Amino acid sequence: QKEVEQNSGPLSVPEGAIASLNCTYSDRGSQSFFWYRQYSGKSPELIMSIYSNGDKEDGRFTAQLNKASQYVSLLIRDSQPSDSATYLCAVKRGAQKLVFGQGTRLTINP
Amino acid sequence: DAGVIQSPRHEVTEMGQEVTLRCKPISGHDYLFWYRQTMMRGLELLIYFNNNVPIDDSGMPEDRFSAKMPNASFSTLKIQPSEPRDSAVYFCASSWGGKDTGDTQYFGPGTRLTVL
Repeated sequence: QKEVEQNSGPLSVPEGAIASLNCTYSDRGSQSFFWYRQYSGKSPELIMSIYSNGDKEDGRFTAQLNKASQYVSLLIRDSQPSDSATYLCAVKRGAQKLVFGQGTRLTINP
Repeated sequence: DAGVIQSPRHEVTEMGQEVTLRCKPISGHDYLFWYRQTMMRGLELLIYFNNNVPIDDSGMPEDRFSAKMPNASFSTLKIQPSEPRDSAVYFCASSWGGKDTGDTQYFGPGTRLTVL
């Protein structure tokens, strides 16, 4: 079992709809979780971090964490073509080390 | 402010040659990370430094890979000898380990390495 698992997609969502991205992790002791966005040919950039169970909202993005189920998700409301990218889930292990999932490729269709 | 700077952006070399990748972290950051990204294995941490000292090199694939950080503003990742399976995009990232940082790692633009 991989330490961080994501559905590789591709996930196709119509413009204006809600895109839902999911991630599971194996280390029950993990405390810090991150979503990075990576456009094709570019470097990853952090869009959300979450540390407590529940929801965390930032604009059109909502991160959800359920530590009991070892599950993290990212919701993108009112999806735009500019949201088309690969989304990487990352879990912090130890002081600073991040373990990344394989990423989910998201395509928003106009 | 300048972000993380990496050079070269692209490198094409032949098997057996030495390759050196360079990174300048964001000024003031005390953590520096080297990652490798491939389609098959995704984004993997190779090694990271804190205050120029290597902390965890468990991701370095084998002895052909070495990394140094001689000062706070410069790091190198060297592959000697290079092999075709080393072809990947290599990212450098930096962060500040202070309490209120939010754990944000800032990635450089990457070096696309092709070993023929």
